[in-house]
Amino acid sequence: GEDVEQSLFLSVREGDSSVINCTYTDSSSTYLYWYKQEPGAGLQLLTYIFSNMDMKQDQRLTVLLNKKDKHLSLRIADTQTGDSAIYFCAAISSGSARQLTFGSGTQLTVLP
Amino acid sequence: KAGVTQTPRYLIKTRGQQVTLSCSPISGHRSVSWYQQTPGQGLQFLFEYFSETQRNKGNFPGRFSGRQFSNSRSEMNVSTLELGDSALYLCASMQGLTYNEQFFGPGTRLTVL
Repeated sequence: GEDVEQSLFLSVREGDSSVINCTYTDSSSTYLYWYKQEPGAGLQLLTYIFSNMDMKQDQRLTVLLNKKDKHLSLRIADTQTGDSAIYFCAAISSGSARQLTFGSGTQLTVLP
Repeated sequence: KAGVTQTPRYLIKTRGQQVTLSCSPISGHRSVSWYQQTPGQGLQFLFEYFSETQRNKGNFPGRFSGRQFSNSRSEMNVSTLELGDSALYLCASMQGLTYNEQFFGPGTRLTVL
């Protein structure tokens, strides 16, 4: 089955860019997602990318996909303290057992 | 439009008891998925319902079950609770079958003593 890996922690200074990385194992993954979870809250879908795309930009968010290396990244430009949260990468395959597989989450801390 | 609601938000039970959690999806959404979130195992898929039918099931024991009603509201039940069932249970709804518009509820925090 699919396995999704992320680094656990990232600290950046306010105003800098943040880059959160993710790797996945199933080359048949069709869609890849980034979710944000703030303390005490559910998950919020931030953005997603289809597997035939290399890049997707949405305001301060840029997603890069390297399908050959099965590597996904989320870049947050001009990171703010309100961006402090846990960020989850998730993948869905095209197989019959269609379900989202999540990474362990990356805790982003934005320092003033 | 109201978001996904889950009740109760917090629950404390003891080992051996059973529990029922409820999820009301966004109006018009016919798909409901359930996830378990723990510090050790992360986010794991439990099951997905669409139009009252279970479409998909994760790798959880039979103590975990669910159902969906004709109004798309969903319940999940855990019988014979174990300490390891302590977790945040998240429900998510989608209008159709695409995860590109999946919205999560705030979750139910279950503590098993």
